[in-house]
Amino acid sequence: DVKVTQSSRYLVKRTGEKVFLECVQDMDHENMFWYRQDPGLGLRLIYFSYDVKMKEKGDIPEGYSVSREKKERFSLILESASTNQTSMYLCASSLWGTSGTDTQYFGPGTRLTVL
Amino acid sequence: KNEVEQSPQNLTAQEGEFITINCSYSVGISALHWLQQHPGGGIVSLFMLSSGKKKHGRLIATINIQEKHSSLHITASHPRDSAVYICAGGNSGAGSYQLTFGKGTKLSVIP
Repeated sequence: DVKVTQSSRYLVKRTGEKVFLECVQDMDHENMFWYRQDPGLGLRLIYFSYDVKMKEKGDIPEGYSVSREKKERFSLILESASTNQTSMYLCASSLWGTSGTDTQYFGPGTRLTVL
Repeated sequence: KNEVEQSPQNLTAQEGEFITINCSYSVGISALHWLQQHPGGGIVSLFMLSSGKKKHGRLIATINIQEKHSSLHITASHPRDSAVYICAGGNSGAGSYQLTFGKGTKLSVIP
């Protein structure tokens, strides 16, 4: 079974702090994704990566950066956390498929509260 | 921009009822995914389909490509089916396959 793990289930930080959210997958997947999920808005893509050291902006990258130094690990960084970044953060991974229809496997989520 | 619209937003059913959740999507989406999210956050992929129909246990997913519409059906619903069901459209672009998500349908099945 594919396993996607996230470093914390719950996190509380102060405004202005630098926050690191870590995601690790154990299935040698090429693609990794960071989403945030907010009530009434659904899941929105922040950043994704299709290879080591490669990254692409998603729909809402402002205020975030990412790092992928190793294939299995994809980090989301909030350079200076703000209260409007309070949200559920979900990581996902998928295999690079030639069919163009890849299943994404999700981590358990990190509920971040910024005070 | 790809769009995915889901309905209803909330659904309450009695145990045993047949349930349908609907999803409409825009041009450019090559496959439709149905996902389930239980309280606590974890998301599980239920189905991925680009044509026809798929069945797994009491869950059935159908897609009509001409009408750009998909449905998720649950037969003989049970309280453990209570969850948020999310439909997502997939498309290839920018070097990867990406999903555009609907806002989810919160299903509550009452004993």
